Amino acid sequence: DTGVSQNPRHKITKRGQNVTFRCDPISEHNRLYWYRQTLGQGPEFLTYFQNEAQLEKSRLLSDRFSAERPKGSFSTLEIQRTEQGDSAMYLCASSPPEGISYNEQFFGPGTRLTVL
Amino acid sequence: GENVEQHPSTLSVQEGDSAVIKCTYSDSASNYFPWYKQELGKGPQLIIDIRSNVGEKKDQRIAVTLNKTAKHFSLHITETQPEDSAVYFCAARIYNAGGTSYGKLTFGQGTILTVHP
Repeated sequence: DTGVSQNPRHKITKRGQNVTFRCDPISEHNRLYWYRQTLGQGPEFLTYFQNEAQLEKSRLLSDRFSAERPKGSFSTLEIQRTEQGDSAMYLCASSPPEGISYNEQFFGPGTRLTVL
Repeated sequence: GENVEQHPSTLSVQEGDSAVIKCTYSDSASNYFPWYKQELGKGPQLIIDIRSNVGEKKDQRIAVTLNKTAKHFSLHITETQPEDSAVYFCAARIYNAGGTSYGKLTFGQGTILTVHP
């Protein structure tokens, strides 16, 4: 499967714990996005990477959230001191650097986080 | 920032009927409008998109129309089938304050489409 992959698919944690999610984009896609989706809503933008550079962050990304893409390939999203309000689906999407699919964002299956 | 409104929130049709979902956007600088289909437990899947220099685009049973003046766009599904049942999201590509765009999307609230056999 050459699509976007995300791990884990599900994560249950207790309030106050730290969690980390991983996203592997489609090979050669240099642009990577993180979104958050709560139940019954559309995805909301969190942050954007072009290669290894984090170029844009949403105001939704509080200081408890941090994202990295150290070698311009996979990315991680860490949430520290989780709160119940962090419960959501965390989606990763990637886009190619050029070509007819330049505008398209290809989404992974998401990681569903439940904070107890 | 950009705001995207989507209607209706739920839509129920009989197999073979047409389904129409409508969205409006606020940022006149937006120039790319994709539609996604999301099935339970899966990530959104791009089904069709349209750029602002085009008024209509069709792909088999799916079509999208765009009215830039009114700032609204619509998804049309003809000859619906039970496997079309899913949540559909419209989105618009927005620009940041500097006038450049890194491609982030603003999504509508979603439409739950149910196609009855």
